[in-house]
Amino acid sequence: GQQVMQIPQYQHVQEGEDFTTYCNSSTTLSNIQWYKQRPGGHPVFLIQLVKSGEVKKQKRLTFQFGEAKKNSSLHITATQTTDVGTYFCAIKKGDYKLSFGAGTTVTVRA
Amino acid sequence: GAVVSQHPSWVICKSGTSVKIECRSLDFQATTMFWYRQFPKQSLMLMATSNEGSKATYEQGVEKDKFLINHASLTLSTLTVTSAHPEDSSFYICSASLGQDGEQYFGPGTRLTVT
Repeated sequence: GQQVMQIPQYQHVQEGEDFTTYCNSSTTLSNIQWYKQRPGGHPVFLIQLVKSGEVKKQKRLTFQFGEAKKNSSLHITATQTTDVGTYFCAIKKGDYKLSFGAGTTVTVRA
Repeated sequence: GAVVSQHPSWVICKSGTSVKIECRSLDFQATTMFWYRQFPKQSLMLMATSNEGSKATYEQGVEKDKFLINHASLTLSTLTVTSAHPEDSSFYICSASLGQDGEQYFGPGTRLTVT
């Protein structure tokens, strides 16, 4: 079945800097979702992308879906300590099932 | 927004015993819920899809006789880990799908430790 690879696995960021996490697939995706899981918490839905080349912004977070719909990225600007957590991309399959990427765990140096 | 609760939040049990985990949708009805397990520093792995009024659909490699799922009402799904062993120790999370985007709302999770 469809799988997504997420890189990097870990991201150590200086507070105030920007970073990007990537989600890649070998096949064309119909959609991609992004979730955030704080340490000790549960995943929380951030956004869904469905259109080729789509770009959506949520404050300091910018989500992008590639033109070929085989990759997606999450870019965070001016990282804050509240951005700590693991960011997962996920693809929606039939019957609303989700297949999650491995996640990018973000830590922030104050 | 959609709220999903889980009980208990954590449980410690002895090897060989069974543990039941409840997942409730508090402000909506969920005909379908999902059960995941997550090992430390790893991703979420879908175990099964819980369907109200019918049998659950298990993912490949998940033993249906070991992980019993019951979805007796539109607001409650239960996962019972039978004859638990230390390797079953994990973080178990349920979710329900809601909304136009089909986004999933997750419960707070249950941390199971089998001694």
